[in-house]
Amino acid sequence: QVHLEQSGAEVLKPGASVTVSCKTSGYTFNRYGISWVRQAPGHGLEWMGWISVYNGNTVYADKLQGRLTLTADTSASTVYMELRSLRSDDTALYFCARRERRFGESDSWGQGTHVSVSS
Amino acid sequence: DIEVTQSPSSLSASVGDRVTITCRASHSIDSYVHWYQHKPGNAPKLLIYGASHLQSGVPSRFRGDGSGTEFSLTIDNLQPEDFATYYCQQTFRPPVSFGGGTRVDI
Repeated sequence: QVHLEQSGAEVLKPGASVTVSCKTSGYTFNRYGISWVRQAPGHGLEWMGWISVYNGNTVYADKLQGRLTLTADTSASTVYMELRSLRSDDTALYFCARRERRFGESDSWGQGTHVSVSS
Repeated sequence: DIEVTQSPSSLSASVGDRVTITCRASHSIDSYVHWYQHKPGNAPKLLIYGASHLQSGVPSRFRGDGSGTEFSLTIDNLQPEDFATYYCQQTFRPPVSFGGGTRVDI
């Protein structure tokens, strides 16, 4: 069955960078994209961006342009999310999700990774 | 950018009720709307994709309707496990956007 396993919780200081991994299994890796979504405490879901694993193309949310990089390692069936120059408002629960090809919905999700940014 | 306005932001209901949540897009988005159920600390769960297609394994009491700019999620015969927050999402054109969420509680 489809499974997405994310790396563990991170605690970082402002200005640092974080990389969260999303290891997939149970399906053909390069036939689907991977989206990233986060939820800050007390807030709703925020779309961050997505990567086409097939060709490496990426689309990022405007507010994260320049700080966010998504990459894929096809040999490991894993996608990485790097967020740089962290601020306190980046504190959130981060999710990766498989992106379906036809409509772009997210049908399978990782368990979430807590990222806490505090001085 | 396409803005997605979801209403209401919260509602109170009882087991057995029918509830309807609506989403309005600032531009026509064809049928590129999806609905998710989210419970605290868990990953969101896809309920409806392509405006009206029921995701595999989701109970038939969940129903999605609409096209263009107006969409709705209806839950018939509300069950205890349905108390959660629901989000619509548009994927018609980047940037992808979520509605603000609707919290359904007792």
